[in-house]
Amino acid sequence: GAVVSQHPSWVICKSGTSVKIECRSLDFQATTMFWYRQFPKQSLMLMATSNEGSKATYEQGVEKDKFLINHASLTLSTLTVTSAHPEDSSFYICSASKGLAGGAEQFFGPGTRLTVL
Amino acid sequence: GENVEQHPSTLSVQEGDSAVIKCTYSDSASNYFPWYKQELGKRPQLIIDIRSNVGEKKDQRIAVTLNKTAKHFSLHITETQPEDSAVYFCAASREGKSTFGDGTTLTVKP
Repeated sequence: GAVVSQHPSWVICKSGTSVKIECRSLDFQATTMFWYRQFPKQSLMLMATSNEGSKATYEQGVEKDKFLINHASLTLSTLTVTSAHPEDSSFYICSASKGLAGGAEQFFGPGTRLTVL
Repeated sequence: GENVEQHPSTLSVQEGDSAVIKCTYSDSASNYFPWYKQELGKRPQLIIDIRSNVGEKKDQRIAVTLNKTAKHFSLHITETQPEDSAVYFCAASREGKSTFGDGTTLTVKP
């Protein structure tokens, strides 16, 4: 199998605080992890691509100082939303890939719903 | 970068009818085209995928066709059932990175 977990599943925080979201591949090593943001009734918007041991590659328009990504191991990537504001409220989904040799398929986590008050 | 367009945005069919969703892409280097089904509040689930060296792939009631020359691919669902109701996303991938279409909300009426 290829299971990806995400924690927490939901979080409510006050404006100005930071929130960390974890993405773990439970039964495989993920050479690459992706972080997406999804607004209600909209598509998945890629925020950044994370490779183990290297800096994340951010998509145009995504603030790297706002959304800190760390990919410390082949099974764990974290997204930290710093100084969160109400406009950061969204559904954040990670996905993990076994790499091109593994078929390029992405396996999605269950998502984290962030609400910033 | 890659641009993926998906149509229609909403689709309503009667149970038992077929449903077709179409996507076009812009980057001729894209070589992997997955389709995902997402139910409300849940993660996207891969339902079928196709690679650029294949023109058609079928899995029971679901099929996908790819026209590389025209840069478009389609999802076909036959004998639709109410449980097929969900949002469907196409994606075009290159070197492992995917660009998603805007999604199609499929409603299957009993």
